[in-house]
Amino acid sequence: AQRVTQPEKLLSVFKGAPVELKCNYSYSGSPELFWYVQYSRQRLQLLLRHISRESIKGFTADLNKGETSFHLKKPFAQEEDSAMYYCALSGQETSGSRLTFGEGTQLTVNP
Amino acid sequence: GAVVSQHPSWVICKSGTSVKIECRSLDFQATTMFWYRQFPKQSLMLMATSNEGSKATYEQGVEKDKFLINHASLTLSTLTVTSAHPEDSSFYICSALDPSGYTDTQYFGPGTRLTVL
Repeated sequence: AQRVTQPEKLLSVFKGAPVELKCNYSYSGSPELFWYVQYSRQRLQLLLRHISRESIKGFTADLNKGETSFHLKKPFAQEEDSAMYYCALSGQETSGSRLTFGEGTQLTVNP
Repeated sequence: GAVVSQHPSWVICKSGTSVKIECRSLDFQATTMFWYRQFPKQSLMLMATSNEGSKATYEQGVEKDKFLINHASLTLSTLTVTSAHPEDSSFYICSALDPSGYTDTQYFGPGTRLTVL
């Protein structure tokens, strides 16, 4: 069975401060990990995926198989980063299918 | 980018009636679509995988006869909540898989809020 855990339901930081949203997973095979973001009153959208190894909107995430983690980081948070962030895992060969989502972390960036 | 639409965006119905929700991929063909359910302040829970031209694959605990899924074309999947009851009230979200790029990506619809009175 695959499982995704986001230990923080709420996270509040000040503008310009570093931010880290934690994600841990449980999966016996080789997973593909994603971060999705949902801004207020908008649909869920892909932020980044570990296979791409890219930085989106200043966010990065590194897959740590030893710690089974995929934490999302940004060195300097901006107010427009305030949103709901979901970590997700796909355990099948075809990437992007059958996603298992974590509970989500509501990030608030204060001015 | 790829766009997925849902219709209606919200619906209120009486207990015992059936409600159909449509999910469309607007500018790409999606052989696979997914239906999720989201309760207030909770995460998305995958209900079923909808494959064009074949039967949907339901997740454990999801009633097939309760949540009927039809994927009749490469751009349309429908979810019908049959004999709806108040406990079916929820936010239903679909996504469509776009395999045209170098990696498969799920694109999400805006969701449909169902309220059963």
